[in-house]
Amino acid sequence: GENVEQHPSTLSVQEGDSAVIKCTYSDSASNYFPWYKQELGKRPQLIIDIRSNVGEKKDQRIAVTLNKTAKHFSLHITETQPEDSAVYFCAAADYGQNFVFGPGTRLSVLP
Amino acid sequence: ETGVTQSPTHLIKTRGQQVTLRCSSQSGHNTVSWYQQALGQGPQFIFQYYREEENGRGNFPPRFSGLQFPNYSSELNVNALELDDSALYLCASSSGGSGYTFGSGTRLTVV
Repeated sequence: GENVEQHPSTLSVQEGDSAVIKCTYSDSASNYFPWYKQELGKRPQLIIDIRSNVGEKKDQRIAVTLNKTAKHFSLHITETQPEDSAVYFCAAADYGQNFVFGPGTRLSVLP
Repeated sequence: ETGVTQSPTHLIKTRGQQVTLRCSSQSGHNTVSWYQQALGQGPQFIFQYYREEENGRGNFPPRFSGLQFPNYSSELNVNALELDDSALYLCASSSGGSGYTFGSGTRLTVV
């Protein structure tokens, strides 16, 4: 089955700096890669996703890149703000099937 | 509001008891997945239902069972509760290959 690894487990950055979180997956059949943000005590919320036919996708300060050959994908947050502080989860899925989540990265944006 | 509602929000049960958690999926979503999220960890896939049939199952024992109804709402039943079952239980709905929309979750405490 699919196995998703995520690094780093914790990340602290200064406000205004960039943050990068990396994930690797094992199943070459996976073709959908969403990223979720979970604030303390709240539900995970989808922030961006990418499909295997695309190498990069951007939405304002957030971007995701995918390298299918190497089976890794990354989340990039630029100009970080205190409200970006949360736990971020990557996931990998085969079309229509269950998502396998990474263990999460706790991002702290320091003022 | 995301449209996925779960009940109850919090629940305390005694070891050995049985519990039923409920989920109403977002309008138009015919797929419901259940996840268990222990404190400080990523969501772990329990099972998925598509059009009232189980459509995939994670590494959970048979005492975890589910149902999906014609209106696509769903139940998660857990028998013979154990202390380790204490977690946040998340329901997520989707519509064929889209990102999940999570409910707010049910926090189950087993004492």
